[in-house]
Amino acid sequence: GENVEQHPSTLSVQEGDSAVIKCTYSDSASNYFPWYKQELGKRPQLIIDIRSNVGEKKDQRIAVTLNKTAKHFSLHITETQPEDSAVYFCAATGGSYIPTFGRGTSLIVHP
Amino acid sequence: SAVISQKPSRDICQRGTSLTIQCQVDSQVTMMFWYRQQPGQSLTLIATANQGSEATYESGFVIDKFPISRPNLTFSTLTVSNMSPEDSSIYLCSVEPPRGGTDTQYFGPGTRLTVL
Repeated sequence: GENVEQHPSTLSVQEGDSAVIKCTYSDSASNYFPWYKQELGKRPQLIIDIRSNVGEKKDQRIAVTLNKTAKHFSLHITETQPEDSAVYFCAATGGSYIPTFGRGTSLIVHP
Repeated sequence: SAVISQKPSRDICQRGTSLTIQCQVDSQVTMMFWYRQQPGQSLTLIATANQGSEATYESGFVIDKFPISRPNLTFSTLTVSNMSPEDSSIYLCSVEPPRGGTDTQYFGPGTRLTVL
């Protein structure tokens, strides 16, 4: 089955800095890669996604890149703000609507 | 996206008892999913529940411990049976994405379970 590795487990940045979270996956059949943000005590919420036929996607301060050959994808957050503090999960899906999740990255943005 | 609600939002239970968690969605969906999220951990799929058929359980989860019902296309229940402190977790239901939307699931608000 699919295996998703996510790094780092914790990321601490100063407000205004950029943050990068990296994930690798094992199943070359995976073709859809969502990213979820989970604030403390709340449900995971989709913040951005990318399909395997696209190399990069951007939405305001958030961008995701995908390297299919290397089987890795990354989340980039620019100009971080304290409200970006949360746990971020990457996932890989092979078309069954059932994602395999990474272990999560706790992002802390210091004001 | 679908609007998903869960009941209860939290509960504190004694070991050896059972708790049934309800999940309601505001539109008809074929596939509903139940996840467990242990403290500080990622999301682990317990089972997939399709209306009209037995739930499909992931490795490490069994029907006797986590019986699931799916009586119609908008509702499902998960029971955590004969609870122990190790069952203390957040339990989340999710649903398949709506037609024409993203390819990923949407999650309910979760049920925070503490077993004493």
